[in-house]
Amino acid sequence: EVQLVESGGGLVQPGRSLRLSCAASGFTFDDYAMHWVRQAPGKGLEWVSGISWNSGSIGYADSVKGRFTISRDNAKNSLYLQMNSLRAEDTALYYCAKDSVSSVTTFLFDYWGQGTLVTVSS
Amino acid sequence: SSELTQDPAVSVALGQTVRITCQGDSLRSYYASWYQQKPGQAPVLVIYGKNNRPSGIPDRFSGSSSGNTASLTITGAQAEDEADYYCNSRDSSGNHRVVFGGGTKLTVL
Repeated sequence: EVQLVESGGGLVQPGRSLRLSCAASGFTFDDYAMHWVRQAPGKGLEWVSGISWNSGSIGYADSVKGRFTISRDNAKNSLYLQMNSLRAEDTALYYCAKDSVSSVTTFLFDYWGQGTLVTVSS
Repeated sequence: SSELTQDPAVSVALGQTVRITCQGDSLRSYYASWYQQKPGQAPVLVIYGKNNRPSGIPDRFSGSSSGNTASLTITGAQAEDEADYYCNSRDSSGNHRVVFGGGTKLTVL
């Protein structure tokens, strides 16, 4: 059974940093691209960042480019999101999502975690 | 970057057919995918590619595309289909990115 478990969320002041983690199990982690998708309270989904299976291709939404860094550790079956210079508008539930096809980034998200909440407020 | 536009809300009578649309320039190059999200739950992929359903998705869900518009059709809507629906597609700018539509809240009457 595929499981994605996010952690690392919490309350943080504007301008500070936070690192999110996603622990994956139930599939061959290093075969699949992975993504972070966020959802502000009462709002829609926003893709944040994605990383290919071998970290060779990485992309970011314009809203986070230069502030957030995605990475993965295939030996630990883990995905990360380093978030710096946080803003109030980064407040959201952050989901980790698995790409659907091995060895290719399709941007189809076939499994999602339950999310970790990040609140940016003074 | 690309944008995808969805109607904010749509309603359908129980057992009737409803179409939810998604418009954007990226859809001329890439298929849309569709996600269903119920309150307090993570999204679920319901349609991808030309018209493909993941395992476990009822066959009353179908997808189609024409020009810059993608559609999700629910034939014989059930009460449990009441949810938010989001489309997404790759960003046609060529970057390693994806965009989501703003979402459509489906009410089953």
